[in-house]
Amino acid sequence: EPEVTQTPSHQVTQMGQEVILRCVPISNHLYFYWYRQILGQKVEFLVSFYNNEISEKSEIFDDQFSVERPDGSNFTLKIRSTKLEDSAMYFCASVTVNTEAFFGQGTRLTVV
Amino acid sequence: AQSVTQLGSHVSVSEGALVLLRCNYSSSVPPYLFWYVQYPNQGLQLLLKYTSAATLVKGINGFEAEFKKSETSFHLTKPSAHMSDAAEYFCAVTLTAGNQFYFGTGTSLTVIP
Repeated sequence: EPEVTQTPSHQVTQMGQEVILRCVPISNHLYFYWYRQILGQKVEFLVSFYNNEISEKSEIFDDQFSVERPDGSNFTLKIRSTKLEDSAMYFCASVTVNTEAFFGQGTRLTVV
Repeated sequence: AQSVTQLGSHVSVSEGALVLLRCNYSSSVPPYLFWYVQYPNQGLQLLLKYTSAATLVKGINGFEAEFKKSETSFHLTKPSAHMSDAAEYFCAVTLTAGNQFYFGTGTSLTVIP
């Protein structure tokens, strides 16, 4: 069964550093999302991506964040100048035309 | 805008008892509704989805949910709880592919042996 793959599973970074979270979505899906979940809190939408451009973004997704699909398959989330409050689980999802979202296992980002 | 409200952040049931996790939605147009399960330190796994077909939706692991438009509800049920059902459950709503999914705050299910 196809699945969404995220790497790394856990990333520890120093405050102020840049991190890149990677996702390989399911190949024939069209819509891709990034969500985050701060420990013990709700799942929050960051950004959606369609046809190689951002289709929707939340107020959380400010200039500190960027997304790319550099090679037509991988889907990355870059966080510049990380802050302590960026520590969270980051989930990638790819969505079918039938509006079924498949989530990856997540990357746990710890900013120290 | 759409939203979902999950009543009860923690639910405890005895093994073999009925599981009922509540979700109410708000949407100006017919929504797509989902239940996801999250086991500790894992991702979100789709349990079931409602996409305007049958109002009673059956999912994996014996779970089902009923879409009730008059009550704007999409409660998740399972007739008999199993220890392996202990997890966090999230209700979510979206309008269509390409729109963001709005998640509820989650319900933590504990199953007592």
